[in-house]
Amino acid sequence: QVTLKESGPALVKPTQTLTLTCTFSGFSLSTRGMRVSWIRQPPGKALEWLGRIDWDDDKYYTTSLKTRLSISKDTSKNQVVLTMTKMDPVDTATYYCARLGGLTTEVRRDDAFDLWGPGTFVTVSS
Amino acid sequence: SYVLTQTPSVSVAPGQTARISCGGNNIGSTVVHWYQQKPGQAPVLVVYDDYDRPSGIPERFSGSNSGNTATLTISRVEAGDEADYYCQVWDSSSDHQVFGTGTKVTVL
Repeated sequence: QVTLKESGPALVKPTQTLTLTCTFSGFSLSTRGMRVSWIRQPPGKALEWLGRIDWDDDKYYTTSLKTRLSISKDTSKNQVVLTMTKMDPVDTATYYCARLGGLTTEVRRDDAFDLWGPGTFVTVSS
Repeated sequence: SYVLTQTPSVSVAPGQTARISCGGNNIGSTVVHWYQQKPGQAPVLVVYDDYDRPSGIPERFSGSNSGNTATLTISRVEAGDEADYYCQVWDSSSDHQVFGTGTKVTVL
């Protein structure tokens, strides 16, 4: 069974650094074609793609947050870590991790997020 | 960056057909994926690669994509279809994933 689950603090103060962990099972991020993304959703608003880490350790970040984001993986622990610096109240959101590359064995760049974690809500407030 | 625009809301009576559009520049030249998100839940993939359905998704959900518009069609709408729906593509110029602005489907 393939699952993903986000974990981390529910509350961070402005200017602090947020660290979230996505722990997954049922697949390996060392398998060619596998990728994990972070996506967030402020209350009542749309989904926003934040970034992605690929099986070959390539990383991509949304342009507007590129200077604040870092994504890393620990293949042995089946974990992907998101770090976001200089947190602000506007960063209050539900943060999701989701898998790419699980629908086919073909290696593609344009495939869909076939599985998502349940999300973790992060409040930024003093 | 690539922008996907969706109609904010669609209302439909039970048993009728809901059509949700996703507009983007020449979107027909790429594949589009669709997600359903119910309140308090994570998104769920309902259509991928324009018109394919993951296992467990009813045939009532279908998709099409041409020109500058992709469409998710929900036939014989049920109360349980009430949710937010998001389209998503891969932007080849940046190698980033992009989500649409979302459409709230209300079942009357």
